[in-house]
Amino acid sequence: DAGVIQSPRHEVTEMGQEVTLRCKPISGHNSLFWYRQTMMRGLELLIYFNNNVPIDDSGMPEDRFSAKMPNASFSTLKIQPSEPRDSAVYFCASSPRDWDGNTIYFGEGSWLTVV
Amino acid sequence: AQSVTQPDIHITVSEGASLELRCNYSYGATPYLFWYVQSPGQGLQLLLKYFSGDTLVQGIKGFEAEFKRSQSSFNLRKPSVHWSDAAEYFCAVKGQAGTALIFGKGTTLSVSS
Repeated sequence: DAGVIQSPRHEVTEMGQEVTLRCKPISGHNSLFWYRQTMMRGLELLIYFNNNVPIDDSGMPEDRFSAKMPNASFSTLKIQPSEPRDSAVYFCASSPRDWDGNTIYFGEGSWLTVV
Repeated sequence: AQSVTQPDIHITVSEGASLELRCNYSYGATPYLFWYVQSPGQGLQLLLKYFSGDTLVQGIKGFEAEFKRSQSSFNLRKPSVHWSDAAEYFCAVKGQAGTALIFGKGTTLSVSS
């Protein structure tokens, strides 16, 4: 079975550029999560969706960050404009709707470097 | 609010020795508890999880964890560590279905020969 698929896996961009990270959750999962991992702050929840609807975006750092989930099989996390402090690993994760609905499955991450 | 504390930032154990990684949580009800492992440059892999029932849960790679409600703990153990176990380990807690996973800061495990 395909897991959570993220793209790009690695991206290096210049400060001020727009960055778009993409995620395809596991088919049939109804919850989707975006996390950010840095050395200083560890793993932080940025936002999560239930049935394509954003439920909690309190972890989104500032207005430069936005996330969308136009359908059950796709989500984007956009940073515009990007800054060096946004350099981190961004993980997408999804969770199923059945009894196992409390297990979250992670993608391999998108490694972002802003120079 | 939910929170997770992993008191040990870095632990070094000898290959073949036993391992215990500590995890304490704060949650108003019975939590769902998880341990994930992350190898360098990789994503997070689920080691084991506790939802209910038997408080001693078995996971992959020979790991186990014990839920102790009275101590608000969910410590991870392995009887004999292998060099390939060197990685970062994260304890996490969440509530009902559809809620998010809250992670601890992680414990880095080094294995010496």
